[in-house]
Amino acid sequence: GDSVTQTEGLVTVTEGLPVMLNCTYQTAYSDVAFFWYVQYLNEAPKLLLRSSTDNKRTEHQGFHATLHKSSSSFHLQKSSVQLSDSALYYCALSSMATGGNNKLTFGQGTVLSVIP
Amino acid sequence: EAAVTQSPRNKVAVTGGKVTLSCNQTNNHNNMYWYRQDTGHGLRLIHYSYGAGSTEKGDIPDGYKASRPSQENFSLILELATPSQTSVYFCASGDAGGINYAEQFFGPGTRLTVL
Repeated sequence: GDSVTQTEGLVTVTEGLPVMLNCTYQTAYSDVAFFWYVQYLNEAPKLLLRSSTDNKRTEHQGFHATLHKSSSSFHLQKSSVQLSDSALYYCALSSMATGGNNKLTFGQGTVLSVIP
Repeated sequence: EAAVTQSPRNKVAVTGGKVTLSCNQTNNHNNMYWYRQDTGHGLRLIHYSYGAGSTEKGDIPDGYKASRPSQENFSLILELATPSQTSVYFCASGDAGGINYAEQFFGPGTRLTVL
């Protein structure tokens, strides 16, 4: 089956500096869609951005990500983090492995902590 | 406003007791999902449903049952709760269709503690 790996459990960054949260995946299928979800403290996860096009940059709320099928990655980046970006971030994959029922395979999550 | 709601928001149960977590969605989505969230494990799928009357096992179904009596409602049932089921549970809804429609909309979560 599909798998998604987020290698960092916690990333601490100083306000104003750039950040990259890593996401890699394994799937037997070429047709894939990727999602980054953000979860603020005591809130529900909500969609941050999505992509299904290889090598195309997707942006939302200052964050961006590019799906690279050649390296099986969909890293999340921001050029200048803010204190309000502190949250738990999930990478998730949907592929035809789910038989079209739109199940998502989530990574383990990365906590982004932005410090002054 | 379309939404996914869950009840109760907090629940304390005793070992061996029965627990029912409820989820309601007004998104008119065919698919609904139950996840548990634990530190280091992320979101893990327990059960899901394609529509009223259907339930399917997810990745960690042992110890849980599900019920989808209507398009709007999806329940998670712990017949014999155990302390290992202490967790935060999220319900989500989503469209049917291709992978590009796989976005899921989450409820606020239920914090369950089994003593």
